[in-house]
Amino acid sequence: AQSVTQPDIHITVSEGASLELRCNYSYGATPYLFWYVQSPGQGLQLLLKYFSGDTLVQGIKGFEAEFKRSQSSFNLRKPSVHWSDAAEYFCAVGSFSGFQKLVFGTGTRLLVSP
Amino acid sequence: SAVISQKPSRDICQRGTSLTIQCQVDSQVTMMFWYRQQPGQSLTLIATANQGSEATYESGFVIDKFPISRPNLTFSTLTVSNMSPEDSSIYLCSVFYGAPLNNEQFFGPGTRLTVL
Repeated sequence: AQSVTQPDIHITVSEGASLELRCNYSYGATPYLFWYVQSPGQGLQLLLKYFSGDTLVQGIKGFEAEFKRSQSSFNLRKPSVHWSDAAEYFCAVGSFSGFQKLVFGTGTRLLVSP
Repeated sequence: SAVISQKPSRDICQRGTSLTIQCQVDSQVTMMFWYRQQPGQSLTLIATANQGSEATYESGFVIDKFPISRPNLTFSTLTVSNMSPEDSSIYLCSVFYGAPLNNEQFFGPGTRLTVL
């Protein structure tokens, strides 16, 4: 069965500093990987996704993620964090059986300090 | 993209009662999903709802507790029946939308339910 681990429950980053959020997955086949962001009172918004091809994926809002099969990881990065990036971030792995059936990690709450 | 709205956005309910949550999509979609996000936890898929067929429930979720309707391609409802405090969660509607090889799941803003 698929599973996703986000080892960091909370992360605090200074505004302007770089960010890396960790995600490890378990899946028997080639995974479909996603990062979502959930701002307070908002639904989930897709930041980026990996299906195949280039292992470095660019997303919205200046985020990127790198798929590393050898480490079963899909870490999210941003070179310079803005105060508006404070939110909950979820990594998800999907299987494709005509649709994406997603399994989510427990999330990482990002706090941005001035 | 698909824009999803949910009603109500939040509610406080008494134990033993039921609440029906509505999900409206601005596009016709085949598949709709209902997720639960318990306090401090991740999202868990409750069921998949296809128009014109019975919903498919995930392990640990049953139709008697979470009946789902899917009367057309843009609308679905989830009922949380005989509620207990353990049902206090955010319930999210989601749709699978887009062209083949370039599709994704879109999520509604959620319904925050508190059961007293």
